Amino acid sequence: NAGVMQNPRHLVRRRGQEARLRCSPMKGHSHVYWYRQLPEEGLKFMVYLQKENIIDESGMPKERFSAEFPKEGPSILRIQQVVRGDSAAYFCASSPGRASYNEQFFGPGTRLTVL
Amino acid sequence: GENVEQHPSTLSVQEGDSAVIKCTYSDSASNYFPWYKQELGKRPQLIIDIRSNVGEKKDQRIAVTLNKTAKHFSLHITETQPEDSAVYFCAARGPNYQLIWGAGTKLIIKP
Repeated sequence: NAGVMQNPRHLVRRRGQEARLRCSPMKGHSHVYWYRQLPEEGLKFMVYLQKENIIDESGMPKERFSAEFPKEGPSILRIQQVVRGDSAAYFCASSPGRASYNEQFFGPGTRLTVL
Repeated sequence: GENVEQHPSTLSVQEGDSAVIKCTYSDSASNYFPWYKQELGKRPQLIIDIRSNVGEKKDQRIAVTLNKTAKHFSLHITETQPEDSAVYFCAARGPNYQLIWGAGTKLIIKP
């Protein structure tokens, strides 16, 4: 059973370009969380999605950032018109359901560098 | 909303000694508290977790204690080894099942 997959692992963009980060949850998991980690800091929650639904996007900036988890295919975190401050590691995690005690399994992360 | 504070930010202990990392949380409704270990450039890995109906949980050299009244929980690592060197994060489950993270503790094991 493959774990959570993320691609690309490293992404370099110039200021003003778009970044698309993909996350494929573990098999059987229908809940996806995106977190951002700045260098030397903890993870910050961004958005929680189920298939075709955004459950909580309270941690995601309202401008330039969007996320989706379509019925088919991976979850996508999209950052438009990237700025240097967007440089960070972006982790997604998946869980099988909404039970409070469900462990979240993390992907390897995408390290975004904005030049 | 939920806020998690973690101390210390850096902890240096002699190999073989014990290490203790402490966290406090603000939302009394939180009922799940995981601890993650993150090595440089790697993903966070769950090492132990505790639910609010339990006061203590142990797994070999690692233990976690929870004081719901005081809203704090702690990670204890005994007989530390060089491979324990990493950054450790505490977290608390938020109202929408997301994890709210502490700022991390860099644990250094001195040989």
